[in-house]
Amino acid sequence: DAGVIQSPRHEVTEMGQEVTLRCKPISGHNSLFWYRQTMMRGLELLIYFNNNVPIDDSGMPEDRFSAKMPNASFSTLKIQPSEPRDSAVYFCASSFLGFQETQYFGPGTRLLVL
Amino acid sequence: GENVEQHPSTLSVQEGDSAVIKCTYSDSASNYFPWYKQELGKRPQLIIDIRSNVGEKKDQRIAVTLNKTAKHFSLHITETQPEDSAVYFCAPKGAGGSYIPTFGRGTSLIVHP
Repeated sequence: DAGVIQSPRHEVTEMGQEVTLRCKPISGHNSLFWYRQTMMRGLELLIYFNNNVPIDDSGMPEDRFSAKMPNASFSTLKIQPSEPRDSAVYFCASSFLGFQETQYFGPGTRLLVL
Repeated sequence: GENVEQHPSTLSVQEGDSAVIKCTYSDSASNYFPWYKQELGKRPQLIIDIRSNVGEKKDQRIAVTLNKTAKHFSLHITETQPEDSAVYFCAPKGAGGSYIPTFGRGTSLIVHP
């Protein structure tokens, strides 16, 4: 298995632009998590899905952030409009809840909003 | 939600020394206790975990111990090496059927050669 795949790996954009981050979880996993990591705030859980259904989005900062999981093999995290304070590394992770609880992280997307 | 604290936030040791990082949590029903390692510029990866029916688990130079009564678990690294330098996170699982991980703020371990 290729592991969790994220794209793009790096994104530089200007304030006000829309940003879409993509994630492909490990095949067979039933849960997917989006995290944001910054020096100031550490590793924050933004939202997680179980069987493609959003379960907890209390970590989503504000309405500018949205996430979808249209099927078991794909998820997106969208920021519209982006702001400089959104600059961070965004990780996607997947796991097989109820059987093995290890979280497998993707390589992350390093986002810089100018 | 679960309140998680890690101590210390930074740990500096000499190569060959031992290192211990402690994680305290608030949910007495927590039943899964993992440690993740994140090297600079890389993703977090699980290095060891323990469940609530076990008090200690070892894997070569690393071990995890659990004290459910006191609600804390610790990561022990013996004979530290420069490649152990990284940020270590605990992420105890809260109660209930859904797993909402709460990651600690991380401990930066620096091993000086």
